[in-house]
This record gives sequence, C-alpha cells and structure tokens, in this order.
Amino acid sequence: GQQLNQSPQSMFIQEGEDVSMNCTSSSIFNTWLWYKQDPGEGPVLLIALYKAGELTSNGRLTAQFGITRKDSFLNISASIPSDVGIYFCAGQLGSSGDKLTFGTGTRLAVRP
Amino acid sequence: DSGVTQTPKHLITATGQRVTLRCSPRSGDLSVYWYQQSLDQGLQFLIQYYNGEERAKGNILERFSAQQFPDLHSELNLSSLELGDSALYFCASSGVSGIGTDTQYFGPGTRLTVL
Repeated sequence: GQQLNQSPQSMFIQEGEDVSMNCTSSSIFNTWLWYKQDPGEGPVLLIALYKAGELTSNGRLTAQFGITRKDSFLNISASIPSDVGIYFCAGQLGSSGDKLTFGTGTRLAVRP
Repeated sequence: DSGVTQTPKHLITATGQRVTLRCSPRSGDLSVYWYQQSLDQGLQFLIQYYNGEERAKGNILERFSAQQFPDLHSELNLSSLELGDSALYFCASSGVSGIGTDTQYFGPGTRLTVL
C-alpha cells in the first residue's frame, strides 16, 4: 500500500532543541494531519490542516500545509522528554470521512 | 483516552487459526476504520464502515473480513492466519466535526502474534 515519504526517519536531540520533520507525497491531499504514537498505544492527533498554505500551532507544535498540497511539515520547539515517540503524517483525500494514508514515521528521542 | 475501545489488547494464536478483533467507537461516531501496523508496511488502511455499511476498502486480504453491527461496534475477522499477519491492528472512529473533515480517533490497538 501507499506510504508517504517522511523524513528524517529518526532523530536524537538534546532537550530544549527545536525539531523539524517533513512529509511528501506524489499525489495531492486535501487534508494533512500529524499524529504521535507512544509505545503500545494508538496514534493521537496533534494537528490538523485543512487548507493549502495554512500554518497552525498547538502549543509548542507548528505545522504547515504545503501550497502544492503534496507536502507538510511539523516543527516542535523547545523539546522536552515527553516529546519522545513516533510522529506520523497522514494525508486525507476527501473532505469527509475518508481513509488516512500515513507516512513512514519519524522516531524522536530526546536526551535530558 | 480517545474514547475508542478495542479488545483484546493482546492475542497469540497459531497459523491457520481464525480470530476476531472487536472495536467500540466513540459515542455518537458512525464511521469505523480498521488499520494494520506492521514493521515493513507501516500503518495501512484496511476497511471502513459507516452506519453499518461498508464504505471503503483498502489493502485488505480476502482472508480478512469485517462488519459493523446496529449498535455501531465493529469486528474484524482474520482467518487462515499466517505468520505475516502478526501486527498491530487499530480501530479508529469518526463523526461529524462540523469543520468539513471528520477527525479519526484511534483506539489502543490489538497486538496479534501468529506463531
């Protein structure tokens, strides 16, 4: 099945540093979402983007919907130990109730 | 807590067997989605039900089937299990958000191990 290209694959950073990750697709999506998954848990929605060019923040997290509709990025500022986990982007083609196509994931480790 | 429940949490079985995974959506959500997460394929969409009817199909094997019952809970049936079916199976549900896109909330998953 299709997976979106997400980079980097993993990151090991110092607490307090900023983090950037991105996601690209060969096809257009009308909605981009970013999820975080902790070990043994299901993905939890962090940010949803509905409009090309949109920039949305959720606390220390900022995400943007690329103007080509084929990419998105997520920034985490001033990382803390609880940011550890796997971050997934997901694209949604339809406007309502459509399946999610997930990225390959970025594994984040934070060194105190 | 997303409000989506899945049982069992863990399932260990042998090749050739059949298992049933259960999902209860968030209260009021009409859509249920099933996803499979494996190391080599990542998170992949399997199938979606809306108010009891199949709405969309993804990379679901013919050995797998699902249904959504009148009380909106859903079951994913996996039969003739193979070693490669070992994975995490997630259920997600969504309802009308009013924004034009239904946010999908994921359950904690069922970890299936086929020996």
